[in-house]
Amino acid sequence: QVHLQESGPGLVKPSETLSLTCAVSGVSLTSYSWSWVRQPPGKGLQWIGVIHYSGTTTYDPSLKSRATISVDTSNNQLSLRLNSVTAADTAVYFCAKDAGLESWGQGALVTVSS
Amino acid sequence: DIQMTQSPSSLSATVGDRITITCRASQRIANSLAWFQHIPGKAPKALIYVASSLRGGVPSRFSGSGYGTDFTLTISGLQPEDFATYYCLQYNSFPYTFGQGTKLEIK
Repeated sequence: QVHLQESGPGLVKPSETLSLTCAVSGVSLTSYSWSWVRQPPGKGLQWIGVIHYSGTTTYDPSLKSRATISVDTSNNQLSLRLNSVTAADTAVYFCAKDAGLESWGQGALVTVSS
Repeated sequence: DIQMTQSPSSLSATVGDRITITCRASQRIANSLAWFQHIPGKAPKALIYVASSLRGGVPSRFSGSGYGTDFTLTISGLQPEDFATYYCLQYNSFPYTFGQGTKLEIK
């Protein structure tokens, strides 16, 4: 059974880079696509992007090229980097298996504040 | 981008009720529509994919229907654990987009 667990610093300063990892167990990263989704406080879910099993990536254009999704196959981890963050990037960040979001982690809260 | 309009935004119901949530896409998306359940503090749970197929382990009281632009999620015989927020997602074209969510509360 697949298990996903997000982790990262809970607090990031404005203009800096948000970095999150998602530890995946129960399945090999190379067999699937992997996605990131976020939920700002009091708001709904927002799709961030996906890394396809081929290694190519697709992102929400509204992020203006600030997001980078990558995989570390040696550690079976998925990563998200979001640069030049502002308060609007404060959210719970979720990783999910497959482009269809079949399984999700519990999420990691990231607050952007000085 | 494809806009997903979900309604209602909130709904009060009683255990045993049958409820329906709708999602309308701003353009045709075939059956590339999924439904999710989210309880705050927990991992969101995938319920339905390709508009009407139940994910493994999801109770049969959940059902989905629709094609093109109009989709529904129905829960027949609400259980206490069903009170949560529900989201639709279109994955027909990038960027994928969610509906605004429907908060299902106990009456």
